[in-house]
Amino acid sequence: GAVVSQHPSWVICKSGTSVKIECRSLDFQATTMFWYRQFPKQSLMLMATSNEGSKATYEQGVEKDKFLINHASLTLSTLTVTSAHPEDSSFYICSARELAWRNEQFFGPGTRLTVL
Amino acid sequence: DQQVKQNSPSLSVQEGRISILNCDYTNSMFDYFLWYKKYPAEGPTFLISISSIKDKNEDGRFTVFLNKSAKHLSLHIVPSQPGDSAVYFCAASATSGGSNYKLTFGKGTLLTVNP
Repeated sequence: GAVVSQHPSWVICKSGTSVKIECRSLDFQATTMFWYRQFPKQSLMLMATSNEGSKATYEQGVEKDKFLINHASLTLSTLTVTSAHPEDSSFYICSARELAWRNEQFFGPGTRLTVL
Repeated sequence: DQQVKQNSPSLSVQEGRISILNCDYTNSMFDYFLWYKKYPAEGPTFLISISSIKDKNEDGRFTVFLNKSAKHLSLHIVPSQPGDSAVYFCAASATSGGSNYKLTFGKGTLLTVNP
């Protein structure tokens, strides 16, 4: 199956700092990548969709200036949480799909962000 | 407004028996459905999917049934094994109209298979 990696797997930062999370497709070209956030015992909530070389499309209620997404290559997308605050603490998961696939997305292992 | 609902937060079954996980949806534009398995602090793992043109899809011990008129789908696991214990998420996608294939997830059902 397709492999998606995320780095780092966990990060602790101080309030007000920015944190960058990387999502990589290891054995396929990810034309589309998705970023999700999951709070404890809740569903995965889609934050944004990014197509390689294009600006990300954000879901309603997600601040695009706070959650900066870059998808500059077919194997890498980054999510930067700017000026992080404790309420941004969550589990962030990316997924990726290749153009030829109809619907299947493969997920990364997730990144646990804790903002102190 | 939750478009994909998994009304049972948890389910417990005995090893060897059948596990049935249910999912309901409200958006009639959804035409592709997926089940994912997730362990704590890990990303979801794809299990099985079904298109709206079918009513059943089988893969080994996993079978997904779709009832479009009832907007209901279910995942059957037979026989259940202790290693199946995890949270199972139902997800739906509207593949037409430029949806970009984004998925809408339910809240998940925690399955515990007891030895």
